[in-house]
Amino acid sequence: EIVLTQSPATLSLSPGERATLSCRASQSVSRSLAWFQQKPGQAPRLLIYDASNRATGIPARFSGSGSGTDFTLTISSLEPEDFAVYYCQHRHNWPLTFGGGTKVEIK
Amino acid sequence: EVQLLESGGGLVQPGGSLRLSCAASGFTFSSYVLTWVRQTPQRGLEWVSGITVGGAGTYYADSVKGRFTISRDSSKNTLYLQMNSLTAEDTAIYYCAKGRDDSNWFGDSWGQGALVTVFS
Repeated sequence: EIVLTQSPATLSLSPGERATLSCRASQSVSRSLAWFQQKPGQAPRLLIYDASNRATGIPARFSGSGSGTDFTLTISSLEPEDFAVYYCQHRHNWPLTFGGGTKVEIK
Repeated sequence: EVQLLESGGGLVQPGGSLRLSCAASGFTFSSYVLTWVRQTPQRGLEWVSGITVGGAGTYYADSVKGRFTISRDSSKNTLYLQMNSLTAEDTAIYYCAKGRDDSNWFGDSWGQGALVTVFS
């Protein structure tokens, strides 16, 4: 099973700042990685798929990069609605797994 | 508009069974892979099971293999998760999710979730 490790666990930033979130895989997942955003009481929302492709309707301030074992989600300038928990997930092989999440909170 | 609506959650005793349903609309049901994902405060998001477009291919997390069965009915546009031999560890919110296409398992649309509570 591929283990995804997200860091940091919590990121305290102010609106307008840049957020950089990391996801590291225990073995290569090629580019088969996605990022999700989840707000309290809501289902996860797909932001980025296959490492760097924005999902439909996702603002351009969200971008993904990386391949192999190291991936990054960048939010270029935080909007108030971006404070949430972010998860990565791979689809490289079975079982699919999620990372433990990074909470982006208002500083 | 894509909609996924889970039902069938509830309270069950250890060793009991439940069947979750996920009614889909707004897309061509038979053209997309589908998955079940569960979430707890302690364990976060956990992928549970996936099924291919035709239903012939099914995949399970080790934690549920042999106890859970995923299936789909294209005539009813509905995804199912039969859960047997339930334990307290299965207590979670269960989400169904539609894959991006017939082979991309990333969920681009999710249901609102169904709460399953296993209690003694």
